[in-house]
Amino acid sequence: GQNIDQPTEMTATEGAIVQINCTYQTSGFNGLFWYQQHAGEAPTFLSYNVLDGLEEKGRFSSFLSRSKGYSYLLLKELQMKDSASYLCAPMDSNYQLIWGAGTKLIIKP
Amino acid sequence: GAVVSQHPSRVICKSGTSVKIECRSLDFQATTMFWYRQFPKQSLMLMATSNEGSKATYEQGVEKDKFLINHASLTLSTLTVTSAHPEDSSFYICSASPGTDHQPQHFGDGTRLSIL
Repeated sequence: GQNIDQPTEMTATEGAIVQINCTYQTSGFNGLFWYQQHAGEAPTFLSYNVLDGLEEKGRFSSFLSRSKGYSYLLLKELQMKDSASYLCAPMDSNYQLIWGAGTKLIIKP
Repeated sequence: GAVVSQHPSRVICKSGTSVKIECRSLDFQATTMFWYRQFPKQSLMLMATSNEGSKATYEQGVEKDKFLINHASLTLSTLTVTSAHPEDSSFYICSASPGTDHQPQHFGDGTRLSIL
């Protein structure tokens, strides 16, 4: 079957760094997306990895290891507005995104 | 770029009413659009995949006659919840993709549907 494993909730301090891990199992693989979703809002696209390695985009970086079925999202210089859910969404062989419940990130001052 | 507009953002109506939700890609052509439903604190649940000019593909357990999808052009897909009941109350979100396989889905702002 297809599944995604992310921590349900994480807490971090403003200004710090946090890493959100994701392991996945899919039928085929065509890359992995990270989305941010604030409470009551729709998801917004953050990053896409299809090859192994690190993709950096400002304060956010995403890493992928296809052989391990593993990805992480790294958030630096945390701000209060980063409090949101972070969704790891791998794309399967049918180019369909597989969604888990995401990780709720709470930022404290 | 890659802006998706969804309308209306909120609907409150009586049981038995049919509700139409529109999803438009504003700055790109979307050969594929997706309709999701999300209950509080739960993951996104794909309801159907809508392809321009052809019938939508519904996920298992989603009633085709209940949730009518029309994708008449490359920039517009509509979801009609027919004869809505309180259990249909949810957050409905559309997303659109240019159709090239490795492109991200871009989401509309969602529609919060409340059936009284």
